[in-house]
Amino acid sequence: NAGVTQTPKFQVLKTGQSMTLQCAQDMNHEYMSWYRQDPGMGLRLIHYSVGAGITDQGEVPNGYNVSRSTTEDFPLRLLSAAPSQTSVYFCASRRQGGADTQYFGPGTRLTVL
Amino acid sequence: AQSVAQPEDQVNVAEGNPLTVKCTYSVSGNPYLFWYVQYPNRGLQFLLKYITGDNLVKGSYGFEAEFNKSQTSFHLKKPSALVSDSALYFCAVRRTGGGNKLTFGTGTQLKVEL
Repeated sequence: NAGVTQTPKFQVLKTGQSMTLQCAQDMNHEYMSWYRQDPGMGLRLIHYSVGAGITDQGEVPNGYNVSRSTTEDFPLRLLSAAPSQTSVYFCASRRQGGADTQYFGPGTRLTVL
Repeated sequence: AQSVAQPEDQVNVAEGNPLTVKCTYSVSGNPYLFWYVQYPNRGLQFLLKYITGDNLVKGSYGFEAEFNKSQTSFHLKKPSALVSDSALYFCAVRRTGGGNKLTFGTGTQLKVEL
């Protein structure tokens, strides 16, 4: 199993540009989520999904969209990038059972100029 | 609302000495508790978790954590630190009974020196 994969690893955008961060998992996990990591703030939940066709907002959803058309894929879209969205983004997945471990992708480092 | 506090931004310890990374939590009902480790420029790796039962949980790389319900704590420990343990450690909590949200602390940088 490849686990959770993310592309790209690095990205530089200009303010106002849009882009999609890709996330895929091959573990047949129902639950997938996106976090951003900023210094001194830990990981904050952006959006999550409990299955194909179902998404919901986390703590910091503004400026981001998600969709879940398949179990495997959970892309994160930045509609109009802002410097405040400069961060490291992590995708994660787990089975829907409450105690199940969440597995993380390697991350995407995004810089918005 | 649920929350996690990691009161120390950084912990320094000499190689071979025991280490403790502190974590306290707040959640309604009973918790699931997790520790993750992050090495530079990498994603988070799972270390261990508490679900129920024995308060002492053993995990990867010789780490263990003790769940203390009365103090709402879940401190990470290792009897003998290695330089290779130097990394950023995150504690996280999720409530039992169907909660989806995993809430993280702000992280503790562990530095193990020769």
